[in-house]
Formats: sequence, structure tokens, C-alpha cells
Amino acid sequence: DSGVTQTPKHLITATGQRVTLRCSPRSGDLSVYWYQQSLDQGLQFLIQYYNGEERAKGNILERFSAQQFPDLHSELNLSSLELGDSALYFCASSVGGGPGANVLTFGAGSRLTVL
Amino acid sequence: DQQVKQNSPSLSVQEGRISILNCDYTNSMFDYFLWYKKYPAEGPTFLISISSIKDKNEDGRFTVFLNKSAKHLSLHIVPSQPGDSAVYFCAATPAWGGAQKLVFGQGTRLTINP
Repeated sequence: DSGVTQTPKHLITATGQRVTLRCSPRSGDLSVYWYQQSLDQGLQFLIQYYNGEERAKGNILERFSAQQFPDLHSELNLSSLELGDSALYFCASSVGGGPGANVLTFGAGSRLTVL
Repeated sequence: DQQVKQNSPSLSVQEGRISILNCDYTNSMFDYFLWYKKYPAEGPTFLISISSIKDKNEDGRFTVFLNKSAKHLSLHIVPSQPGDSAVYFCAATPAWGGAQKLVFGQGTRLTINP
């Protein structure tokens, strides 16, 4: 157990729907990162939050949004889902959020299947 | 544009032998490199890292080598054990980048045969 908790583990939904993925970071970590891993691809950085504030954005679609709450858990909202959004979504956390905070602790991921 | 490439999707090695996983990068701004290991149904876990001021870093059975001129790094596992069977990702970032600048390769699935 890495200490980073993601729910749900699996999710199957239809095109056009909206889903929310949840992440609780490791105790003491202030920074949360979201990554997407599509089939045979590396992990693609989506977005980072640090202590409730958005810190960095990667290749996140406009249909996707995220937030980090005062208790530091984070949610990734995916809307108007398309078949291509089917992927593993990982949450990771780190203590800091700036340069040098390179070692991440990952959760087990949420596998999203869009039919 | 794939800035970090792991050209071997899979690798099979006999138990006790050396496993060598390779990774190439194109961005000359990268100067901090990491390897993560991933078991099925688990998230990636940090394995070992290397800064560009070094050309080698060892941690037990794991050694990472960095060849900056060739923009190439490799992970050596000696001796390989069945528990090393996993997917290995290399990742790179500029030193000033932080984790949000990490670029991951596609991964190499390592299978250790008894």
C-alpha cells in the first residue's frame, strides 16, 4: 500500500457521460498530480495541485477538470466522455510541489472504460 | 513527439542473469532521470534515479547508467529475480522542472524466467 488511495478502481460508462475520480494523497503530502495512461503509452501528465491551488497544467482536455479540497483530497472530473478517454488514470502525491519534487508516490489507478 | 523512448516493449531474461533496460531521450534540457517499476493492478513505484552530474548510480542489485552525449540511459538488474518481473518506466525532467515536467517513456515489460 503506497498510501495514495484512488477510487473507484474500475469504472465502465457510456459515451457522453460524466465521471468523477477521487484521490487521497499520502499523509503529509501537499501536492497531487493526475496522469493518464492510454494503451501502450507512457504516463501523460494532466494537472497538479499544491495545497488546494492549481500549480501546473499538462495535456488536459477542456472536458476534464480537477480540484483539490481543504482536506487535500482531489477529484478529477471527466465529462462528455469519448471512446478515446478509456485509460488508466493515476493519481500521485509528493510532499513539495516545486523543483526537486521529482519522486512521486502513485496510487493504484482508476481504470475507465468508455463504451 | 516522444521525448523519452523505450524502444523495447518487452524483455525476457533468465533468472540469475543480467537484465538491461534501455531508454533514449531527445530533450537536452533533461538532467534528472528516474526509473519506476509497476506491478499489475498497482501504481508505479520509484526505483532509482540519476542526476546528469553522474554517469552511474547504484542501489543494491540496480544500477542506472547515463550517457549524456548519446542521450541514453540504461537500468541494469543483477542478478535478476522472479520478483523483478514488472513493467519498467523511465522518466526525465529538467532539474528546475519538478514532477510536473516529468516525461515518461512507454514502458518495458520485463519477464524473469525461472
